[in-house]
Amino acid sequence: GAGVSQTPSNKVTEKGKYVELRCDPISGHTALYWYRQSLGQGPEFLIYFQGTGAADDSGLPNDRFFAVRPEGSVSTLKIQRTERGDSAVYLCASSLGGTGGGKNIQYFGAGTRLSVL
Amino acid sequence: DQQVKQNSPSLSVQEGRISILNCDYTNSMFDYFLWYKKYPAEGPTFLISISSIKDKNEDGRFTVFLNKSAKHLSLHIVPSQPGDSAVYFCAASARGYSGGGADGLTFGKGTHLIIQP
Repeated sequence: GAGVSQTPSNKVTEKGKYVELRCDPISGHTALYWYRQSLGQGPEFLIYFQGTGAADDSGLPNDRFFAVRPEGSVSTLKIQRTERGDSAVYLCASSLGGTGGGKNIQYFGAGTRLSVL
Repeated sequence: DQQVKQNSPSLSVQEGRISILNCDYTNSMFDYFLWYKKYPAEGPTFLISISSIKDKNEDGRFTVFLNKSAKHLSLHIVPSQPGDSAVYFCAASARGYSGGGADGLTFGKGTHLIIQP
């Protein structure tokens, strides 16, 4: 079956520009997550959606970062006024959601590599 | 403040032998732990998980051990195979098993496992 799909796979932009990164989760998964992975680090949690609403956005680094999931499926991570320090791989994951360990196994996409020049 | 620590950046093991990857955590609220495997240019792939009510979980060549009192877990791979060469991430969740919902995972920095022929 189809896994988590992220587009684009690579994005190069200039400092100060606006970017949008898209995530298409596994069909039927109600929970969706965004992470950021810098070189030599593990993925760092940004935001988590349960359905259409952001259940936890405590990982967003500042107000330049925003994410939406208007219909409870596809999600878009938006970064305004990009800075060189935003360069990283942005990973999206989805899970079934709900109680029970198996429902909270997160399945990851291949990521979008963002380079801010 | 790193809540999940993988203190070995790399580990080299001979093919056919046992690989042991270690992970320590500091947050007593973590109740669900996962191991992910990552190849270059791909997203993390779920490997095996364990809830805090267990001390061992086995799946084929992979076994995860949890020592709650020591806040330590380990992943054993036996026998090690060339395809096991990858970066392994330990991750933890504070509500992932019994807390009524999923949440963002906290990852370690990863251990690069190299299987020597």
